[in-house]
Amino acid sequence: GDSVTQMEGPVTLSEEAFLTINCTYTATGYPSLFWYVQYPGEGLQLLLKATKADDKGSNKGFEATYRKETTSFHLEKGSVQVSDSAVYFCALDSSYKLIFGSGTRLLVRP
Amino acid sequence: DADVTQTPRNRITKTGKRIMLECSQTKGHDRMYWYRQDPGLGLRLIYYSFDVKDINKGEISDGYSVSRQAQAKFSLSLESAIPNQTALYFCATSDPTGNPYEQYFGPGTRLTVT
Repeated sequence: GDSVTQMEGPVTLSEEAFLTINCTYTATGYPSLFWYVQYPGEGLQLLLKATKADDKGSNKGFEATYRKETTSFHLEKGSVQVSDSAVYFCALDSSYKLIFGSGTRLLVRP
Repeated sequence: DADVTQTPRNRITKTGKRIMLECSQTKGHDRMYWYRQDPGLGLRLIYYSFDVKDINKGEISDGYSVSRQAQAKFSLSLESAIPNQTALYFCATSDPTGNPYEQYFGPGTRLTVT
């Protein structure tokens, strides 16, 4: 069945560092791909999305490119802030349901 | 006001008790979902409903039941709670006319079964 694998955390960075969180997927066809973010004590929020190969989703300085060849959708940000500390989930759309990765906790230190 | 609300936000209950978690939404979406979140496992789908008359089991439905009382309300019940149902529970909604079916989450209910 469809699945999502993302790098284990926690990821600890200093403010203004470059961020990459890896995400790969297994699916039949070409599903839509998402990154969701969960801030402490809150529900998940959609961060960005991509619907087809080579699409780049972007929001709040975060970017991810849908790579069909490597079945990947890695999340990047050029300069993280303390306020980016959260848990990040990669997900794919599977027959109108979301399949989530296990989540990666990011901690940004001042 | 929040578009997707969940009650209660926190609940502690004893093994064997029946408990209901409630979800309401004002987004007008037909599709609603219940997930549980466990550390290191991400979110797993319990049940989902594509309209009032449609209920479907998800990945981990054993020990749970649901009721879709109206378009805006979707309740999750644990008939006889057990400790390994201790988790964070999320309700979500989606609009099938949207593309590509992004979901909107409530704030979660933290359930502890002792």
